[in-house]
Amino acid sequence: DSGVTQTPKHLITATGQRVTLRCSPRSGDLSVYWYQQSLDQGLQFLIQYYNGEERAKGNILERFSAQQFPDLHSELNLSSLELGDSALYFCASSVAGSGREQFFGPGTRLTVL
Amino acid sequence: GENVEQHPSTLSVQEGDSAVIKCTYSDSASNYFPWYKQELGKRPQLIIDIRSNVGEKKDQRIAVTLNKTAKHFSLHITETQPEDSAVYFCAASSGAGSYQLTFGKGTKLSVIP
Repeated sequence: DSGVTQTPKHLITATGQRVTLRCSPRSGDLSVYWYQQSLDQGLQFLIQYYNGEERAKGNILERFSAQQFPDLHSELNLSSLELGDSALYFCASSVAGSGREQFFGPGTRLTVL
Repeated sequence: GENVEQHPSTLSVQEGDSAVIKCTYSDSASNYFPWYKQELGKRPQLIIDIRSNVGEKKDQRIAVTLNKTAKHFSLHITETQPEDSAVYFCAASSGAGSYQLTFGKGTKLSVIP
């Protein structure tokens, strides 16, 4: 157990819908990263938040957005869902400053039908 | 941006033999190189990492080597055991404002008893 929690574990929804994935980082970690894992694209960085502020953006679609709240938990919002959005979504957290290690949560498996 | 190539994509070894997985990266500014192990349906788990000021690091049966001049790094697993069977991912991070990870496509390691 990495100490990073994610909910829900599984999510099944229809095309065009909107979902919210939640992540709680390890105690003391200020950075949250979101990654998407699909069979054809592998593990891809989406977005990073550090202490409530967006720090970096990767291959994140405009239909996706995220935020980090004062208690440091983060939410990833996916809207106008398409079949191709079906994937495992992981969040990872790390300590600020010299800490580089990222610890992954258990992931949310999203299935879009 | 950073690009990480990983080889081989699949690797089968007999129990007790050694396994080697190789990665190359493109961004000379990258300075942190972690390795993750992912079992089916589970989270990526950090197993070892190396920073650019170090050429080699060992932790029991696993070791990582880094050649900054050639921009490649490798994972070595000795005395393999069936429980080492999993998908292994290498990654690179530049640390320039964000510690986002760029992952290789993964290597599926099978250890045959």
